[in-house]
Amino acid sequence: NAGVTQTPKFQVLKTGQSMTLQCAQDMNHEYMSWYRQDPGMGLRLIHYSVGAGITDQGEVPNGYNVSRSTTEDFPLRLLSAAPSQTSVYFCASSYSIRGALAKNIQYFGAGTRLSVL
Amino acid sequence: AQKVTQAQTEISVVEKEDVTLDCVYETRDTTYYLFWYKQPPSGELVFLIRRNSFDEQNEISGRYSWNFQKSTSSFNFTITASQVVDSAVYFCALSEATGRRALTFGSGTRLQVQP
Repeated sequence: NAGVTQTPKFQVLKTGQSMTLQCAQDMNHEYMSWYRQDPGMGLRLIHYSVGAGITDQGEVPNGYNVSRSTTEDFPLRLLSAAPSQTSVYFCASSYSIRGALAKNIQYFGAGTRLSVL
Repeated sequence: AQKVTQAQTEISVVEKEDVTLDCVYETRDTTYYLFWYKQPPSGELVFLIRRNSFDEQNEISGRYSWNFQKSTSSFNFTITASQVVDSAVYFCALSEATGRRALTFGSGTRLQVQP
């Protein structure tokens, strides 16, 4: 049971380049999300998905696109990288049981450290 | 809007000391969840505990204990007899019970346990 797998672990981009950060989970979780972690700011939500085919914006969505074609995968795309996107990116997943008793324990991948020069 | 405040940026203790990490939150929701995550130097985020807003029982797990007080909107985390392996950044987080259910994180407290 691999849990949440993120690739790559490290990446260096030049300004204007594009890339996709991969995230896959093998726990059959409906809910998946992307966060970025910047020094002194904790983690902030970029995009999230409550199931295949459904995505929505989080707190800091500008410059990022997502799609959710399968339950397992939730890739994050940077269309034109900017130095402000230098950060550590975390993908997370959890069960999605509707109602007040939703478990909502989000399990995180190991992170992708991205530098944009 | 939800907000989580961890006022302690960094704490340094000597091994075997007890240490309490503070967490204060703000939310308008009546049902919500509180979490603590640990981020060791290796960088991954490790889930420690989840607490429902309607369950104010304190919890103890080995050397870890959590004190949830709705009256003061606090969810503090105590490590008893700290060890060097406890050195990490600890995050407190808050989420809605329904809807977006995103985690709102505090800025984290870096704990250094000296031998």
